[in-house]
Amino acid sequence: EPEVTQTPSHQVTQMGQEVILRCVPISNHLYFYWYRQILGQKVEFLVSFYNNEISEKSEIFDDQFSVERPDGSNFTLKIRSTKLEDSAMYFCASSVGVGNQPQHFGDGTRLSIL
Amino acid sequence: AQSVAQPEDQVNVAEGNPLTVKCTYSVSGNPYLFWYVQYPNRGLQFLLKYITGDNLVKGSYGFEAEFNKSQTSFHLKKPSALVSDSALYFCAVRDYGGTDSWGKFQFGAGTQVVVTP
Repeated sequence: EPEVTQTPSHQVTQMGQEVILRCVPISNHLYFYWYRQILGQKVEFLVSFYNNEISEKSEIFDDQFSVERPDGSNFTLKIRSTKLEDSAMYFCASSVGVGNQPQHFGDGTRLSIL
Repeated sequence: AQSVAQPEDQVNVAEGNPLTVKCTYSVSGNPYLFWYVQYPNRGLQFLLKYITGDNLVKGSYGFEAEFNKSQTSFHLKKPSALVSDSALYFCAVRDYGGTDSWGKFQFGAGTQVVVTP
């Protein structure tokens, strides 16, 4: 069964540094998402992406964050200047459509800011 | 606006007993409801969804969920729990046609299920 893959599984970065989290969505999916899960807390929506542009974003997704689909397979989340509170699990998801279509999640990248 | 609540942080059940994980929701349009399961160090795995039609929805691994419009609930159930069902369960809602017409997922806080042998 096709899977969403995320790399790296664990990223350790110094505060203030830029970090890029990478995702390869399922190949025939058209909608892409990033979510965040701070340890012990709920899964929070960050951003959705369709047709090479952001469709929707949450209040968490401020100017420090950006997303890109640099080629036909990758979907990236960039955090420009990391803060301690950015430490979390970041999940990428994709879906073939919206509305009643489930989203398929990768195993996440654990981001640790020192 | 949409919201979803999972009133129990943890549910404990003995293996072989019925398992119920509660979820209630609030939407302004039509609810699309989903259940996901998360095992340690893994992403969320889709279990089942309710879109329309029969109120009882069957999903993966023997799980089912019952949609109750009057109570705005979508409880997850399994008739006979297994130790391997121990995991974190998330309910999610998508408010399609409401104020969030594009419909991002809103996840509940999660319920930890512990099944003891």
